[in-house]
Amino acid sequence: DSGVTQTPKHLITATGQRVTLRCSPRSGDLSVYWYQQSLDQGLQFLIQYYNGEERAKGNILERFSAQQFPDLHSELNLSSLELGDSALYFCASSGQGFQETQYFGPGTRLLVL
Amino acid sequence: ELKVEQNPLFLSMQEGKNYTIYCNYSTTSDRLYWYRQDPGKSLESLFVLLSNGAVKQEGRLMASLDTKARLSTLHITAAVHDLSATYFCAETNFGNEKLTFGTGTRLTIIP
Repeated sequence: DSGVTQTPKHLITATGQRVTLRCSPRSGDLSVYWYQQSLDQGLQFLIQYYNGEERAKGNILERFSAQQFPDLHSELNLSSLELGDSALYFCASSGQGFQETQYFGPGTRLLVL
Repeated sequence: ELKVEQNPLFLSMQEGKNYTIYCNYSTTSDRLYWYRQDPGKSLESLFVLLSNGAVKQEGRLMASLDTKARLSTLHITAAVHDLSATYFCAETNFGNEKLTFGTGTRLTIIP
């Protein structure tokens, strides 16, 4: 158990819908990262927050957005869902230092029908 | 764009044998990570390699880093079934904390 929690574990929804994925980092960690894992794209970085502020952005679609709250938990919002958004979404967290090891949560498996 | 390549993509090996997974990366990375993923599960951190010539070992796994060749290796010694998983290498580079992952190597240990 990495100490990173994610909810829900599974999500089934329809095209065009909007969903919110939630992540709680390890106690004391300030950085939260979101990654997407799919068969065709592999593991891809989406976005990073550090202590409530966006720090880095990767290949995140405009239909996707994220935020980190004062209690450091983070949410990833996916809207206007398409079939191709079906994937495993991971949250990771790391400590206060730069480039510290990232610890991954159990993931949320999203299926868009 | 950063690129990380692993080979082989798939590896079946018998218990008790030794083998090596290779990870080539395209930038002057300052950190190289190895993660393990069991089917449908999360990623577990195995090693962080920080400098040229770094070698780390945990049980039957040993990782090394050659920054001049931009190559990291994960060596498996006397494989056992419990090591069956997908192994990913990933890099970060200067000024950037995001992980760029390789394609992964799916390792199957056959009794």
